[in-house]
Amino acid sequence: QQQVKQSPQSLIVQKGGISIINCAYENTAFDYFPWYQQFPGKGPALLIAIRPDVSEKKEGRFTISFNKSAKQFSLHIMDSQPGDSATYFCAASISGNTPLVFGKGTRLSVIA
Amino acid sequence: GAVVSQHPSWVICKSGTSVKIECRSLDFQATTMFWYRQFPKQSLMLMATSNEGSKATYEQGVEKDKFLINHASLTLSTLTVTSAHPEDSSFYICSAREAGQYHTQYFGPGTRLTVL
Repeated sequence: QQQVKQSPQSLIVQKGGISIINCAYENTAFDYFPWYQQFPGKGPALLIAIRPDVSEKKEGRFTISFNKSAKQFSLHIMDSQPGDSATYFCAASISGNTPLVFGKGTRLSVIA
Repeated sequence: GAVVSQHPSWVICKSGTSVKIECRSLDFQATTMFWYRQFPKQSLMLMATSNEGSKATYEQGVEKDKFLINHASLTLSTLTVTSAHPEDSSFYICSAREAGQYHTQYFGPGTRLTVL
């Protein structure tokens, strides 16, 4: 059973547009929600993360929106650029040294 | 930021041989390291969790005798693929969690294994 469901599987966005990727989870014990960016042939890099005590976190062009009651969180990439083209993974974990649970990933293509 | 390195970045070996992959945390001490496997265009699949000084915990379906994990120090974990076969060809990625931190995982650049 997949614990973190991610959508869409792929996304094409015009340069300068907003990219939105959504994730949903079932386990209410999750208390840490990061997003990772992965380029082909590279390891994932931590992009931004949020805890459930806040509803939004912004770092530069990247924003996480978190809806605790709906058990959903999303990544918004403002002013998307071709260099943002990569695969994005949402994840979740529980405090206490447990491993991250990953979504299936979203392939983002930003076209000029 | 925290840096995790992997060595080698790619390796090609013959079927039946063993391959060792190293994962190092370069500027922090990692009490816990994780090993993942990733197939093309798929998500990361957790293989095992290793804590420094103790035996690794393997995920269901992962053969512990085939994928030997050693976490000998706070900065080094190794994954040995024993008697490798073509179906073991994959992208192996490690991640490390800093001592005292219970969330953030920093990932290595990955190792591409090709078994002929």
